[in-house]
Amino acid sequence: ETGVTQSPTHLIKTRGQQVTLRCSSQSGHNTVSWYQQALGQGPQFIFQYYREEENGRGNFPPRFSGLQFPNYSSELNVNALELDDSALYLCASSLPGFHEQYFGPGTRLTVT
Amino acid sequence: RKEVEQDPGPFNVPEGATVAFNCTYSNSASQSFFWYRQDCRKEPKLLMSVYSSGNEDGRFTAQLNRASQYISLLIRDSKLSDSATYLCVVTPTDSWGKLQFGAGTQVVVTP
Repeated sequence: ETGVTQSPTHLIKTRGQQVTLRCSSQSGHNTVSWYQQALGQGPQFIFQYYREEENGRGNFPPRFSGLQFPNYSSELNVNALELDDSALYLCASSLPGFHEQYFGPGTRLTVT
Repeated sequence: RKEVEQDPGPFNVPEGATVAFNCTYSNSASQSFFWYRQDCRKEPKLLMSVYSSGNEDGRFTAQLNRASQYISLLIRDSKLSDSATYLCVVTPTDSWGKLQFGAGTQVVVTP
């Protein structure tokens, strides 16, 4: 086990709603990255947080936003949900300057 | 063209056999390379980093060819538990925090 935890495990939302996903990083890891994995695809980088600041962003619209807290835990918020947002959302933690990232079990989001 | 490309497979491998597959990447300035393993409906797990000199971890051997921009993974003496999707991962130089994943190669080890 990596020590990275995510909640909730599963979530069903309706198009247009908003969702918040949570992640607790591995002990000692102060960098958190979020990824979206659609069925049959590899994970796609959404953004990364380091010291409570966004530290890099992938090709996702502004309705995807995040936060990092002083204890290094993080949230991913998605507004105005679309059907294509249905995916597995993965959180990964790492040490700064190290490329190895360790993933949590993910949150499976279904938008109907 | 995708930044990281993999043969999706599946590679059907008899137990005890050897299987090898490659991954190509488009950014010649890519800095770090990894193989992750992902079981069905689970999170990716780091299998091994890939170094320029090549490296081995038990039955797994990874190679990097920067000139041809590909990395490879070889699994010897395949076990049933090796059945999984293997994700090739590259880190661009200009964004060290971002992992770029391929879509994965599925390996099925059969008795």
